[in-house]
Amino acid sequence: AQKVTQAQTEISVVEKEDVTLDCVYETRDTTYYLFWYKQPPSGELVFLIRRNSFDEQNEISGRYSWNFQKSTSSFNFTITASQVVDSAVYFCALSEAYFGNEKLTFGTGTRLTIIP
Amino acid sequence: DSGVTQTPKHLITATGQRVTLRCSPRSGDLSVYWYQQSLDQGLQFLIQYYNGEERAKGNILERFSAQQFPDLHSELNLSSLELGDSALYFCASSVLDSSSYNEQFFGPGTRLTVL
Repeated sequence: AQKVTQAQTEISVVEKEDVTLDCVYETRDTTYYLFWYKQPPSGELVFLIRRNSFDEQNEISGRYSWNFQKSTSSFNFTITASQVVDSAVYFCALSEAYFGNEKLTFGTGTRLTIIP
Repeated sequence: DSGVTQTPKHLITATGQRVTLRCSPRSGDLSVYWYQQSLDQGLQFLIQYYNGEERAKGNILERFSAQQFPDLHSELNLSSLELGDSALYFCASSVLDSSSYNEQFFGPGTRLTVL
């Protein structure tokens, strides 16, 4: 069975600080996908990134970066120089990679509050 | 805007009632997924349809059912509603072919409140 753990329920940081959101996953599959989604106060789910289990390269997109470590089953998300607009609930998710089972298994989310 | 539409945005009803949530996928997407986000259970997968056929089932209650119509829109039917069914229900869609991973694009959700 698949499982995603986001141990940090809530995080508050002052604006411009860096913050890292942790994600640990469990799966028996050798091939899988990992995701991060953002849910702002308005409620919609906004896709941030997808990572294939074969690709352990870290990725940077503007102020966002992701660190995927297969050895520790972790896929952490760092926001650099945080801004108030980053305040949201962030979800890490996992799916199997074979055709026919695409459902997403979500973690419980981390509520991030950026204090101005 | 993801291109996935869900109606209604908000729904308030009473216990014991039945409601229908509607989802229109992005143009060209053949697969529709339903997810429930509640305070108790978090975000969880309910059911998936592909081109009119049920493809995968998750933690969906027997009181809940879904279908996908020939025009590819989908409906989630919730009956004998209980207070605990109050949640945000998301629909997502994807192209779903074997050539590459298919992104799931989420709709804005329907917020159901059962009083």
